Amino acid sequence: QQQVKQSPQSLIVQKGGISIINCAYENTAFDYFPWYQQFPGKGPALLIAIRPDVSEKKEGRFTISFNKSAKQFSLHIMDSQPGDSATYFCAASGPGRDDKIIFGKGTRLHILP
Amino acid sequence: GAGVSQSPRYKVAKRGQDVALRCDPISGHVSLFWYQQALGQGPEFLTYFQNEAQLDKSGLPSDRFFAERPEGSVSTLKIQRTQQEDSAVYLCASSLVPRGLSGNTIYFGEGSWLTVV
Repeated sequence: QQQVKQSPQSLIVQKGGISIINCAYENTAFDYFPWYQQFPGKGPALLIAIRPDVSEKKEGRFTISFNKSAKQFSLHIMDSQPGDSATYFCAASGPGRDDKIIFGKGTRLHILP
Repeated sequence: GAGVSQSPRYKVAKRGQDVALRCDPISGHVSLFWYQQALGQGPEFLTYFQNEAQLDKSGLPSDRFFAERPEGSVSTLKIQRTQQEDSAVYLCASSLVPRGLSGNTIYFGEGSWLTVV
């Protein structure tokens, strides 16, 4: 059972455009939703994270939108730049026995110069 | 060191060979995690240590996989009698505080790339 479903698998966006990556989760006990960015040959690095008590969190060009009732959350990258080209993973974790971070399968983002 | 350090970065093993992968977490970090990342997939949890205690090994795929962290710092992931399906990147991550505090930032190393031929 895939607990965190991510789409699309790959995404191509023009420089300056908005990149949108979506995730859906199953476990209502999850209470922490991070996004990780991974460049080739590197480990994932935390980009931005949200908790379900807020519907949106913005850090610079990166925004997470969260819909608790739909069990969905998304990453928006505004003014996308070629340097944003990477693989992005949504993830989720919860308290107690759910506190291991569960990752989605990833989205390969390519920003055209 | 400043970050999580893993070695070797690349390992080619013949099927049936034993391998050992090392992780040196950020100094002072209590929590240490091992993840397996197959090509084109997200990382999948293998096991967790809080200091020297292995508190969760629910993700280890078989009894050929064994991890230890005897002094609560460096950890080793050992894979016995490697098989082709073990080919993956093995990521180590560490966190300052114990797992169980949901929302901890965990810091990943660059991974050990294992290819079994």
